[in-house]
Amino acid sequence: GQNIDQPTEMTATEGAIVQINCTYQTSGFNGLFWYQQHAGEAPTFLSYNVLDGLEEKGRFSSFLSRSKGYSYLLLKELQMKDSASYLCAAMDSNYQLIWGAGTKLIIKP
Amino acid sequence: GAVVSQHPSWVICKSGTSVKIECRSLDFQATTMFWYRQFPKQSLMLMATSNEGSKATYEQGVEKDKFLINHASLTLSTLTVTSAHPEDSSFYICSARVETSGVTQETQYFGPGTRLLVL
Repeated sequence: GQNIDQPTEMTATEGAIVQINCTYQTSGFNGLFWYQQHAGEAPTFLSYNVLDGLEEKGRFSSFLSRSKGYSYLLLKELQMKDSASYLCAAMDSNYQLIWGAGTKLIIKP
Repeated sequence: GAVVSQHPSWVICKSGTSVKIECRSLDFQATTMFWYRQFPKQSLMLMATSNEGSKATYEQGVEKDKFLINHASLTLSTLTVTSAHPEDSSFYICSARVETSGVTQETQYFGPGTRLLVL
């Protein structure tokens, strides 16, 4: 079956770095997405990886290893506003997104 | 990024009434739009895939006669919750897929969501 695993909750300190891991199993693969969702709001797009390697975008970076079925989202210089849920989603061969349950990130001063 | 709007942003209705939610892609055309439902503290649940000019594809367990989807144009999809009941109260979110030719990327951009409360 198709499955996405990511930690339920993580805590980090303002100004620090945090890495949110995601493993996936899908029928075919057409890319891995990361979305940020603040409480009560819709998700917003953060990143897309389809090739192996690291994609850097400001304070956020996303990594993909297709052979390992593994991705991570790296957040640097954490700010209080980064407190949110981070959703990992893999696109299968039918171009459907398979969603993880999300990782709630709590930032402490 | 691409902009997707949703209307209304929130709605309160009586049990048994129908509610229509609109999803529009503002600066691009979307042949494919998706409708999700999200209950508190849970992840997104795909309800259906809406394709312009054809019938929507519903996920298992989603009643197509209760959740009517119309994708009449490349910028508008509507979801109508018919004969709504309190258990239909949820956060309904649409997304539109941006298909970029020449690059293998099919990013979904989300609307702001519609909160439905059925009394």
